[in-house]
Amino acid sequence: AQSVTQLDSQVPVFEEAPVELRCNYSSSVSVYLFWYVQYPNQGLQLLLKYLSGSTLVKGINGFEAEFNKSQTSFHLRKPSVHISDTAEYFCAVSDNTGNQFYFGTGTSLTVIP
Amino acid sequence: DAGITQSPRHKVTETGTPVTLRCHQTENHRYMYWYRQDPGHGLRLIHYSYGVKDTDKGEVSDGYSVSRSKTEDFLLTLESATSSQTSVYFCAIRDRANSPLHFGNGTRLTVT
Repeated sequence: AQSVTQLDSQVPVFEEAPVELRCNYSSSVSVYLFWYVQYPNQGLQLLLKYLSGSTLVKGINGFEAEFNKSQTSFHLRKPSVHISDTAEYFCAVSDNTGNQFYFGTGTSLTVIP
Repeated sequence: DAGITQSPRHKVTETGTPVTLRCHQTENHRYMYWYRQDPGHGLRLIHYSYGVKDTDKGEVSDGYSVSRSKTEDFLLTLESATSSQTSVYFCAIRDRANSPLHFGNGTRLTVT
């Protein structure tokens, strides 16, 4: 079985500052990794995914994440945040069977003007 | 989004009554999932399906059952609703094991 830990439940950051949202996972098998964003009162939208290959993955809205197998991490970064990035962010892991898909508890990002 | 419709969008029901939530997809995807979202818990997997009549339990399946008689429909039933099942329920689909999930807009269920 897999599990996902998002180390920070809330992250406040000033507008135009960089941000990193941390995600660690545990799994005994190869995994696929994902980041999702949820704006208030909406469903979840895919930001980016890691399936294989390059460990640096670029997503929508200027976000990127780096897969680190030795540290079992998949941290999300953005060099300069905007007010519109205020949302809940979820890290997720899936094994290669496709049968299960697990989420972390989420990180609430608040961008301060 | 991604051809997923959840119904109803909102429901208020009383403790002890049965409730069925429906997820309908037009994408012909193989995999379908039901999650519940609660503050501080993120999204927790209730049940999933990997084909017609093929379902399995997730991490919080107690008190819930599912059925999938057609590719496009995945039903979640609360046999006897309890206040602890007040939550937002999301359906999600994907076509392959390495595909991301695509989510419906959710159903907000309140059990009084």
